[in-house]
Amino acid sequence: AQSVTQPDIHITVSEGASLELRCNYSYGATPYLFWYVQSPGQGLQLLLKYFSGDTLVQGIKGFEAEFKRSQSSFNLRKPSVHWSDAAEYFCAVGARGFQKLVFGTGTRLLVSP
Amino acid sequence: DGGITQSPKYLFRKEGQNVTLSCEQNLNHDAMYWYRQDPGQGLRLIYYSQIVNDFQKGDIAEGYSVSREKKESFPLTVTSAQKNPTAFYLCASSGLAGSTDTQYFGPGTRLTVL
Repeated sequence: AQSVTQPDIHITVSEGASLELRCNYSYGATPYLFWYVQSPGQGLQLLLKYFSGDTLVQGIKGFEAEFKRSQSSFNLRKPSVHWSDAAEYFCAVGARGFQKLVFGTGTRLLVSP
Repeated sequence: DGGITQSPKYLFRKEGQNVTLSCEQNLNHDAMYWYRQDPGQGLRLIYYSQIVNDFQKGDIAEGYSVSREKKESFPLTVTSAQKNPTAFYLCASSGLAGSTDTQYFGPGTRLTVL
């Protein structure tokens, strides 16, 4: 069965510092991978996705993620965090021909001044 | 503008009552989904539908029911059989039936049982 692990429940980063949020997945075939962001009381917004091709994918708001098959990881990065990036971030995995997505439990990002 | 709307934003229910959450999309998407979100548990799939008049149970379907009479609408009923319905409910849609595609989310409905 597919599963997603986001090992960090909370992360605090200083404004202007770099960010890396971890995501590890478990799936036998090539996964389809997603990162979503959620502001409090809001729905989820897609940041970026990986289906195939270049393993470094660029997303909105200056985010990027790298698919590493050998490590079963799809970590999200941003070189310089802004206070508006404070939110909860979810990693999700799907598979070709499989309609459902499996979500991680999320990482809450706090940005300190 | 194309998107997904959910109503109401907040909903209060007395114990023993059924309530229906609305989800409408004008993206012409085939597939629609309902998720439940509880703190620290991520999103859990309740039901999904790939085409009109067809839907499948997700991981936590007990105490919930859905219908898909129109392509653009996928209402969720929380029945009195759902033992702990207080949660944030998210509706999503994706483009193509039977394929893995990006899911787009509505703004959510927060249900509170009094």
